[in-house]
Amino acid sequence: EPEVTQTPSHQVTQMGQEVILRCVPISNHLYFYWYRQILGQKVEFLVSFYNNEISEKSEIFDDQFSVERPDGSNFTLKIRSTKLEDSAMYFCATEGNEQFFGPGTRLTVL
Amino acid sequence: GENVEQHPSTLSVQEGDSAVIKCTYSDSASNYFPWYKQELGKGPQLIIDIRSNVGEKKDQRIAVTLNKTAKHFSLHITETQPEDSAVYFCAASGIDKLIFGTGTRLQVFP
Repeated sequence: EPEVTQTPSHQVTQMGQEVILRCVPISNHLYFYWYRQILGQKVEFLVSFYNNEISEKSEIFDDQFSVERPDGSNFTLKIRSTKLEDSAMYFCATEGNEQFFGPGTRLTVL
Repeated sequence: GENVEQHPSTLSVQEGDSAVIKCTYSDSASNYFPWYKQELGKGPQLIIDIRSNVGEKKDQRIAVTLNKTAKHFSLHITETQPEDSAVYFCAASGIDKLIFGTGTRLQVFP
């Protein structure tokens, strides 16, 4: 069964550093999403991406965040200058008719 | 703004009993309502979904009901088993992004 994969599984970084989280979508899916989940809380929408551009973003997705699909396969989330409050699980999701989630990247900002 | 409320936050049942989780949503444009199961350290896993053109959907021990007039939908798990123990999230969607509920921690005791 096809699945969404994410790397790395865990990323530890210093405050102010840049991080790039990577996702490999299910191959025939056209809609891509990033969500985050702070420990013990609900899953929150960050951004949706279709046809090589952002279709919607939440208020969480400020100028420090960016997404791209550089090579037509990987879908990346970049945080330019991480803050302590960026520590969370970040999930990639891709959609054909339903949204399927990857296993997540645990980001820890020290 | 768009909001999804979910109750209860925790639910403990004896193996073999039924479990019911309820959600209400605020955006009347929502037309897609998936349910996700999240086990510790993993990404949300789609277990069942329903679209606004039907009132009920069943898949083995799991069923979902939708009342569009009242803007609420429910997950029903019958004959619960210990492996059903997890956090369950409801979500609602209009065009693309999912708005998640706050989650229900289900514990099934043998």
